[in-house]
Amino acid sequence: DARVTQTPRHKVTEMGQEVTMRCQPILGHNTVFWYRQTMMQGLELLAYFRNRAPLDDSGMPKDRFSAEMPDATLATLKIQPSEPRDSAVYFCASGPSPSGNTIYFGEGSWLTVV
Amino acid sequence: AQSVTQLGSHVSVSEGALVLLRCNYSSSVPPYLFWYVQYPNQGLQLLLKYTSAATLVKGINGFEAEFKKSETSFHLTKPSAHMSDAAEYFCAVSVSGANSKLTFGKGITLSVRP
Repeated sequence: DARVTQTPRHKVTEMGQEVTMRCQPILGHNTVFWYRQTMMQGLELLAYFRNRAPLDDSGMPKDRFSAEMPDATLATLKIQPSEPRDSAVYFCASGPSPSGNTIYFGEGSWLTVV
Repeated sequence: AQSVTQLGSHVSVSEGALVLLRCNYSSSVPPYLFWYVQYPNQGLQLLLKYTSAATLVKGINGFEAEFKKSETSFHLTKPSAHMSDAAEYFCAVSVSGANSKLTFGKGITLSVRP
């Protein structure tokens, strides 16, 4: 059963530490999204890629967040340095182009920054 | 840019009662519309989607939604609620285009009373 795989599932870290979240999209999907979910803001799109190229990262705080796709099977989201306000669930999702197709979500990385 | 509005944050129904979750969209071009469901501590999964074919769309778990262009709505319904339907429901919109992305509403929490 094809699915999006995210690691780590849970992470507790101290303020100022670097956090790296990883995502393995479904094989054959060429579009990858990073979303952040909080109680206050709901689901926010941080960044997305098509064919490994970043299309839009306007939702991401540029000073501390970075997103990359080193290859077609791996997407990463880094926070450096982390802050308590970054505590959230981070979801990776993937889908095939063109638009209108379903995107599939991973189970999320639950981040707590203390 | 496209957007969706989900009025209210919480709906409570009795088991066996009709479920109606409202979604209105804004888009300057024909939209693609989606409903996703999120169970506690899980990622989002697709319930159903509208991609310009039939205006009445049937999804999983007995849910359906009707696209009404004149009302810019895509409300989700289920004739008879089950306890297992308790979850958070998200409406989302995208449009055709190479760089199109999926934009989510704030979500509605559905509670089902015994």
